[in-house]
Amino acid sequence: DQQVKQNSPSLSVQEGRISILNCDYTNSMFDYFLWYKKYPAEGPTFLISISSIKDKNEDGRFTVFLNKSAKHLSLHIVPSQPGDSAVYFCAASDDGGATNKLIFGTGTLLAVQP
Amino acid sequence: DAEITQSPRHKITETGRQVTLACHQTWNHNNMFWYRQDLGHGLRLIHYSYGVQDTNKGEVSDGYSVSRSNTEDLPLTLESAASSQTSVYFCASSESRGLAGYTQYFGPGTRLTVL
Repeated sequence: DQQVKQNSPSLSVQEGRISILNCDYTNSMFDYFLWYKKYPAEGPTFLISISSIKDKNEDGRFTVFLNKSAKHLSLHIVPSQPGDSAVYFCAASDDGGATNKLIFGTGTLLAVQP
Repeated sequence: DAEITQSPRHKITETGRQVTLACHQTWNHNNMFWYRQDLGHGLRLIHYSYGVQDTNKGEVSDGYSVSRSNTEDLPLTLESAASSQTSVYFCASSESRGLAGYTQYFGPGTRLTVL
């Protein structure tokens, strides 16, 4: 049973436009959420995170929005750049940092077209 | 610069063989994790460790074992490789428990094929 779902396997966006990557979750106990980015033949790298006590966190071109009532998380990239082309994983945890175990989604492949 | 490395990067083995994948980090992190990545499943946790002599089972631990004899290394052993264990394996580390522990630093991965 997939507790963290990324229903769009892929997304294509024009350079300069907004990219919106979505993530849905089923566990209402999740209290911390993260996005990781992965290039081919490399390991994932941390991008941005948000605690469940917030509804928005921004870092440069990247903003994560959390809608707890809808159990929905989204990552906005504005403006999108070709170097943003990668697989994006959302991840979540439900233990307040006690174990640091993360549950990952299946990933969304973002292609930013020049 | 601190880093996390994995070896080998690619491995082909036969069903029934024992295989060990190495993971070495120079971050001096207490937490270390092993994941496997498969299409349709994302990253799934195999085993994890919070420090020397500490190991814990993750979501998909059957057929795998780990040992932590020092801070830097967490080798992953497949006791008797099966074709279902063909996957890409990632090792990760993080500083400590608490929120800082969620920022995990990943190695480049090992692609394992079991024939």
